Amino acid sequence: EAGVAQSPRYKIIEKRQSVAFWCNPISGHATLYWYQQILGQGPKLLIQFQNNGVVDDSQLPKDRFSAERLKGVDSTLKIQPAKLEDSAVYLCASSGAQGAGELFFGEGSRLTVL
Amino acid sequence: SQQGEEDPQALSIQEGENATMNCSYKTSINNLQWYRQNSGRGLVHLILIRSNEREKHSGRLRVTLDTSKKSSSLLITASRAADTASYFCATDGTSGSRLTFGEGTQLTVNP
Repeated sequence: EAGVAQSPRYKIIEKRQSVAFWCNPISGHATLYWYQQILGQGPKLLIQFQNNGVVDDSQLPKDRFSAERLKGVDSTLKIQPAKLEDSAVYLCASSGAQGAGELFFGEGSRLTVL
Repeated sequence: SQQGEEDPQALSIQEGENATMNCSYKTSINNLQWYRQNSGRGLVHLILIRSNEREKHSGRLRVTLDTSKKSSSLLITASRAADTASYFCATDGTSGSRLTFGEGTQLTVNP
């Protein structure tokens, strides 16, 4: 079974530029999550999708972050404009369970904002 | 705010020793999970314990849960250098399905 795929693995941008991250979850997984993990900290949930609907985006900085999940499969997370404090690893995870069962994570996309 | 708080923040042991990590949380939970993260990689699920369970085993892992103290512990027995990683607890609160992670314990197992 293929795992959660994320791209790009690494991205370096200047502040105020924009960036997009892509995630392809495990086939058949209805729930998709985007987490932000700052160096030395635990992952923080940005947004949770159930199929193509948003379940929880209460911690997403909506003035600069946006996310969509087309057709309930792939998802894209965008940051525009980026700030220095957005430097982090952006982790995508998926789950086949209703509610918070076991999550399967991708390898992450590491963003450096200069 | 983060639900789980791991203790200690960092732990360094010799190969063959046991490693114990603790997690405390603030509100009622449906279940508690432990994840492992190798440097530069994604998180990998280790074990899930439900709120009505007190202890669970998986290979060299033993997890306990004390809901009266709102705490859990992860024991890794006979540790190996390959166990070197960060370990996170994650809780699923009864008020919603969001899985909230703690700050993690960095475990170093010296050969």
